[in-house]
Amino acid sequence: DIQMTQSPSSLSASVGDRVTITCRASQTIGTFLNWYQQTPGKAPKVLIFGASSLQSGVPSRFSGSGSGTDFTLTISSLQPEDFATYYCQQSYNPPPTFGHGTEVEIK
Amino acid sequence: EVQLLESGGGLVQPGGSLRLSCAASGFTFSSYAMSWVRQAPGKGLEWVSSISGSDGGTYYADSVKGRFTISRDTSKNTLYLQMNSLRADDTAIYYCAKQIGGSYSSRLFDYWGQGTLVTVSS
Repeated sequence: DIQMTQSPSSLSASVGDRVTITCRASQTIGTFLNWYQQTPGKAPKVLIFGASSLQSGVPSRFSGSGSGTDFTLTISSLQPEDFATYYCQQSYNPPPTFGHGTEVEIK
Repeated sequence: EVQLLESGGGLVQPGGSLRLSCAASGFTFSSYAMSWVRQAPGKGLEWVSSISGSDGGTYYADSVKGRFTISRDTSKNTLYLQMNSLRADDTAIYYCAKQIGGSYSSRLFDYWGQGTLVTVSS
């Protein structure tokens, strides 16, 4: 199985900050990388698919980049509703696997 | 509007069985692959099983293979997960998720239900 490693596991940030989360795959996955946001008590919601494509309805402050094994999720200006846990997921090879998550907390 | 509503969770003893259901609406259920993804308390996401919309093929994580069975009833627009020989480490919230395409290879989950909690404990 392809292992997905996210860093950091948690971070503290303020409203308005630029936040970057990284995800590394244990083998090359092209751009078959998706990002999800999960707020407490809620189901995950897809933000980015194909490494850099914004899901319909997702604010443009979210962006994704990368290919091969290294990927990045960036929030350009953190908003109060963005405090959540973020997961990367590879859809290149079965089984689909997720990173362990990055919790974004309020500073 | 796509809606996925899970039910059937609860408390079960180790070795017991449970069947989860996921009622789907707002899309052509038979045309899409569907999956179950679980989340143990305070932990991350783990894919459990998928069923292809195109040919009904089924796929399982190694951790549940031989114990869980995924199925679908297209006449009722409902997805199921039959869970047998349950263990303590199966304790989790189980989410039903729609995939973006009809094939299992479309491993992007674009809609999720609210989840149903399964607790395996004596």
